Amino acid sequence: RKEVEQDPGPFNVPEGATVAFNCTYSNSASQSFFWYRQDCRKEPKLLMSVYSSGNEDGRFTAQLNRASQYISLLIRDSKLSDSATYLCVVNRGYSTLTFGKGTMLLVSP
Amino acid sequence: GAVVSQHPSWVICKSGTSVKIECRSLDFQATTMFWYRQFPKQSLMLMATSNEGSKATYEQGVEKDKFLINHASLTLSTLTVTSAHPEDSSFYICSARIPGVSNQPQHFGDGTRLSIL
Repeated sequence: RKEVEQDPGPFNVPEGATVAFNCTYSNSASQSFFWYRQDCRKEPKLLMSVYSSGNEDGRFTAQLNRASQYISLLIRDSKLSDSATYLCVVNRGYSTLTFGKGTMLLVSP
Repeated sequence: GAVVSQHPSWVICKSGTSVKIECRSLDFQATTMFWYRQFPKQSLMLMATSNEGSKATYEQGVEKDKFLINHASLTLSTLTVTSAHPEDSSFYICSARIPGVSNQPQHFGDGTRLSIL
């Protein structure tokens, strides 16, 4: 089993749609969790950290279920500018990050 | 603004050339930096952890004699791809974490796209 697994994608959605990404991780000792966004041929940029209590940042909501080792990201009212690859990232200690393969989102007019 | 600077952003070289990539932390001291590699349509894979003043820690399968890492100062780590070949063509990215806060996310450089002909 891979350390971090994500939906394969790509997700093609119209503007205004709500889209959800799922992610599972295998190491139960993982300490912190993030969603990064990566545009084509660019470096990853932090979108948001993920907390057990769930957290929201504008149109983005992240959830963490430690018991199920499951992380999610919900994007409401999708914009064209949301088109990117979304990376689920897990910190397995000592600042070592493990990246999922990423799920590509394409938002169309 | 950027907190990690990486240079160069694009390199095209002939096979057999050695290529040096620099990663600098801006406005903070990074005792630890990380080097990743990303092949097309693949996830970022950690290659090595660069430690200031000591040897880098390499991930399994990464040749330390092929990918030389030097972290001589608190703001600079370099990755040298020695005798690069076409299979080394990839996107190389460094990152650093601003110290002092636990579980702080990492900040990435812009990445270096390496193409070996």
